[in-house]
Amino acid sequence: AQSVTQLGSHVSVSEGALVLLRCNYSSSVPPYLFWYVQYPNQGLQLLLKYTSAATLVKGINGFEAEFKKSETSFHLTKPSAHMSDAAEYFCAVSESNSGGYQKVTFGIGTKLQVIP
Amino acid sequence: GAGVSQSPRYKVAKRGQDVALRCDPISGHVSLFWYQQALGQGPEFLTYFQNEAQLDKSGLPSDRFFAERPEGSVSTLKIQRTQQEDSAVYLCASSLTGQGRYEQYFGPGTRLTVT
Repeated sequence: AQSVTQLGSHVSVSEGALVLLRCNYSSSVPPYLFWYVQYPNQGLQLLLKYTSAATLVKGINGFEAEFKKSETSFHLTKPSAHMSDAAEYFCAVSESNSGGYQKVTFGIGTKLQVIP
Repeated sequence: GAGVSQSPRYKVAKRGQDVALRCDPISGHVSLFWYQQALGQGPEFLTYFQNEAQLDKSGLPSDRFFAERPEGSVSTLKIQRTQQEDSAVYLCASSLTGQGRYEQYFGPGTRLTVT
């Protein structure tokens, strides 16, 4: 069964500092991996996704993530945090099942606080 | 174009009442998913539709939960005899197909509070 572990339910960074949000996954087959962002009272918005094309994935708003199979990790980074990055971030994994569709499993989320 | 919409955005129900939550997916999207997001948790899968067919309902927590998508577009999640543990945000997502390379687009959710 697939699963996702997000280390750190709350992360605080100073404005302009590096953002690093950690995600480790477990999957029995090569997975698809995602990072979503959720702002208060809004739905989830896709930041980026890994679909085996390239191990370094660039997403929106300057975020990127690197797929490391040996470490079963998919950590999210951004070189310089902006105040507008304050939100909750969810790592997710999906894999095909017998029904022929991708079932997505989400982590518990990491709340990012950006300190001025 | 319009994204996924959900209504109502907020619902307060007394314990024991029935509720119906609506999801309008993006036009032309074959796949539709429902998730339940409890406070402080990530979304958890409830059920999946491909067009009008409900292919997976393994995540529905009890037989009080029922979902339908009769014409392959709008979907309704119904909860009968609501309980306090049903309080959560219910998210709907649609995608072009169920294949993993296609992004799931999420609606804003319906926050259900059972008192």
